[in-house]
Amino acid sequence: DAGVTQSPTHLIKTRGQQVTLRCSPKSGHDTVSWYQQALGQGPQFIFQYYEEEERQRGNFPDRFSGHQFPNYSSELNVNALLLGDSALYLCASGFGTTFTNTEAFFGQGTRLTVV
Amino acid sequence: GENVGLHLPTLSVQEGDNSIINCAYSNSASDYFIWYKQESGKGPQFIIDIRSNMDKRQGQRVTVLLNKTVKHLSLQIAATQPGDSAVYFCAENFSRKGSARQLTFGSGTQLTVLP
Repeated sequence: DAGVTQSPTHLIKTRGQQVTLRCSPKSGHDTVSWYQQALGQGPQFIFQYYEEEERQRGNFPDRFSGHQFPNYSSELNVNALLLGDSALYLCASGFGTTFTNTEAFFGQGTRLTVV
Repeated sequence: GENVGLHLPTLSVQEGDNSIINCAYSNSASDYFIWYKQESGKGPQFIIDIRSNMDKRQGQRVTVLLNKTVKHLSLQIAATQPGDSAVYFCAENFSRKGSARQLTFGSGTQLTVLP
């Protein structure tokens, strides 16, 4: 049973460019959340997708957008990259929007470096 | 939880001793809490969770204690092993009325197990 998978594992982009990160949830899960983790800090919630809609959003600018596909996989897009966007981007999957009865499973993350 | 920047609290313990990692959470409305372990270069790994209607929950070698009065969580690891060396995060889970749930992470504690 595959867990949460993310691609790519590492990425280097130039300031001003756009990037797309991908996530496949754990089998049986239908909710995907994205987090940004800067070096030495805890993950920060970006947004959550459920039933192909953004259900909740953290304190991130509109440069951060996403999408969820009918197979529950998800993409995170970041436009006009800034140096400060360099971080580990984590995807977490769960069932439904409650998390009350399920653990949030995380992928290994995508390490994005903006130069 | 609040980020404390690049300086993570640290805890060093001798192999075989018990470890206690503490966490203060921020939202009195949070009703579900999770402890994660994160090794270098990897995503957070679920350890144990607890609901707000409980004050203690035990797993294999781990125990989580919840004190809602002072908004405090602790993770106890029995017979700490070298493989336990990692950063440990607590996360609180709450939902604003009408909104989906999200995890808010604490600042993390670096646990080092000494031989």
